[in-house]
Amino acid sequence: QSALTQPASVSGSPGQSITISCSGTSSDIGGYNFVSWYQQHPGKAPKLIIYEVSSRPSGVPDRFSGSKSGNTASLTISGLQAEDEADYYCNSYTGRSSPYVFGTGTQVTVL
Amino acid sequence: EVQLVESGGGLVQPGGSLRVSCEASGFTFSDYWMTWVRQAPGKGLEWVAIINQDGSQKFYVDSVRGRFTISRDNAKNSLYLQMNNLRAEDTAAYYCAKQSVGAGFDPWGQGTQVTVSS
Repeated sequence: QSALTQPASVSGSPGQSITISCSGTSSDIGGYNFVSWYQQHPGKAPKLIIYEVSSRPSGVPDRFSGSKSGNTASLTISGLQAEDEADYYCNSYTGRSSPYVFGTGTQVTVL
Repeated sequence: EVQLVESGGGLVQPGGSLRVSCEASGFTFSDYWMTWVRQAPGKGLEWVAIINQDGSQKFYVDSVRGRFTISRDNAKNSLYLQMNNLRAEDTAAYYCAKQSVGAGFDPWGQGTQVTVSS
């Protein structure tokens, strides 16, 4: 099971919007609505920020949003803030014998 | 407060074995699927294994199947990962996480470091 494909890095200025893509196949992202996104600051454990493609857990700011089109999922951060500088990972259910797979990860830099 | 605390990491020689543990608190442990995820130094997240509520269903990533065993003790609110025939490429921080709504993993523990080296 190959990792889902994400851009290695994305950057933006404070207040801007950025979008991170997560590309998979019809056997993972395209086949199920179980796509989640995680934020990880250096030296810290990952934190769930989006589940079921576009739902936000309690306490996650609404400037984080998720979507999916075909085999590609996306995470958009609107009104970028300094504390959003972190690594972001997507994850999808696959329905295979190894039922979950993470993306390659994207480093977000706030300029 | 929901909390997960991993322990048991350390230095082990190639071919050796190690068991890491995850103690849960703040929620009804026996009601949830639980998972292990690892992260090699400077690398991304890799999903490793998952177990259902009563331990009757277990799934693994291909690279560890046959070497690693996930288990749980609901009476002790604890999750385990028994790792045998360890390889250098198994070196990573190992995180446990609770499977939450919509197949999301939340929360995560702080991780325990496993280093495989001679």
